[in-house]
Amino acid sequence: DTGVSQNPRHKITKRGQNVTFRCDPISEHNRLYWYRQTLGQGPEFLTYFQNEAQLEKSRLLSDRFSAERPKGSFSTLEIQRTEQGDSAMYLCASSLDTDREVYGYTFGSGTRLTVV
Amino acid sequence: AQKVTQAQTEISVVEKEDVTLDCVYETRDTTYYLFWYKQPPSGELVFLIRRNSFDEQNEISGRYSWNFQKSTSSFNFTITASQVVDSAVYFCALSRYNFNKFYFGSGTKLNVKP
Repeated sequence: DTGVSQNPRHKITKRGQNVTFRCDPISEHNRLYWYRQTLGQGPEFLTYFQNEAQLEKSRLLSDRFSAERPKGSFSTLEIQRTEQGDSAMYLCASSLDTDREVYGYTFGSGTRLTVV
Repeated sequence: AQKVTQAQTEISVVEKEDVTLDCVYETRDTTYYLFWYKQPPSGELVFLIRRNSFDEQNEISGRYSWNFQKSTSSFNFTITASQVVDSAVYFCALSRYNFNKFYFGSGTKLNVKP
């Protein structure tokens, strides 16, 4: 395991469809984060997990968005009833929290979503 | 509130020129962390540096150097003798002490021409 893996790399969907993305963090990392990046902007925080617990959610995460990390390993981000405004790059990151320090905040290559 | 401003949207230089990317941040925290990431066209964010608020020592790593000044809330990044491979979007980011989230600037696109 050499990094954070995200699948798929690209997703084109019709408006109104549901989509699900997957993130596999670095294996020993207990924290996992989701960010969204629109064209020409920096990534914006969506949510983060400590092990399987979802500890913080951004107001950007509307009711149509849901994220899970059922066993504290991989995570999924689902968008229901997609809208054209959901078109963006969805980035996953992971890090190791040892209580004394947080190490290795590493990003994946992202999933680019296009809603047509 | 936390905020990062990268006023330079795009910079173009010719190879071997030096270039400085500006970053200004806002926070009321006394403990915080600052980062620089590089985003090549492939999309992944590549970590470059992390600096905590108590360490104002400037850092040099090869052709890269960083100037952290708390008095002006700035964390600027200089590339010496730029190369075409340096072409990318560079992001400055701020994290609170707990690393729960990053606050990113809008990025600076660097074009290095041969």
